[in-house]
Amino acid sequence: GAVVSQHPSWVICKSGTSVKIECRSLDFQATTMFWYRQFPKQSLMLMATSNEGSKATYEQGVEKDKFLINHASLTLSTLTVTSAHPEDSSFYICSARVTRSGLAEKNEQFFGPGTRLTVL
Amino acid sequence: GQSLEQPSEVTAVEGAIVQINCTYQTSGFYGLSWYQQHDGGAPTFLSYNALDGLEETGRFSSFLSRSDSYGYLLLQELQMKDSASYFCAVPHTGGFKTIFGAGTRLFVKA
Repeated sequence: GAVVSQHPSWVICKSGTSVKIECRSLDFQATTMFWYRQFPKQSLMLMATSNEGSKATYEQGVEKDKFLINHASLTLSTLTVTSAHPEDSSFYICSARVTRSGLAEKNEQFFGPGTRLTVL
Repeated sequence: GQSLEQPSEVTAVEGAIVQINCTYQTSGFYGLSWYQQHDGGAPTFLSYNALDGLEETGRFSSFLSRSDSYGYLLLQELQMKDSASYFCAVPHTGGFKTIFGAGTRLFVKA
């Protein structure tokens, strides 16, 4: 199957600092990746769609200057939380949709293991 | 817009059968997916229905009725390890990104 990794798995930082989270597709190329945020016992909220070689598409209400997304290669997307504050503490998950026949027909997304961010 | 509704919690006993319902409203429909997520883990894909009817995969089955904008996930022979959150999801209009329901937390008791 398709494997997506994330790094780091958890991070604790001070308020005001920036944190970078990496999302990698290990055995396939992903022209598009998705970034989600999930608060405890809540659903996955799509933040943005990361497009290789072009600007990310942000969902309504998500500050693009605060959540910087870079998709520089077909296997790597990064999310940088700039000037993090305690309210940014959350579980950040990336995913990719494999576009080869069979999996694309099932609209299956493969998720990374997530990054738990705690801002003090 | 698009929205999905599913129960917030369901409790069942080991060995039983449980059904998690999902109703949706979409401007265009491309199929209904189900994902499982254990606490602290990543969601994993369970099933996808593009056409009406029942899809069976081992102990899990998923059903879709497009005319009713309704689907359900059926879990049989429940095991303790099935305790998790279950999300129904639909592709966004255009079929590219995915929108998730609020999730149903399933508690399996001994």
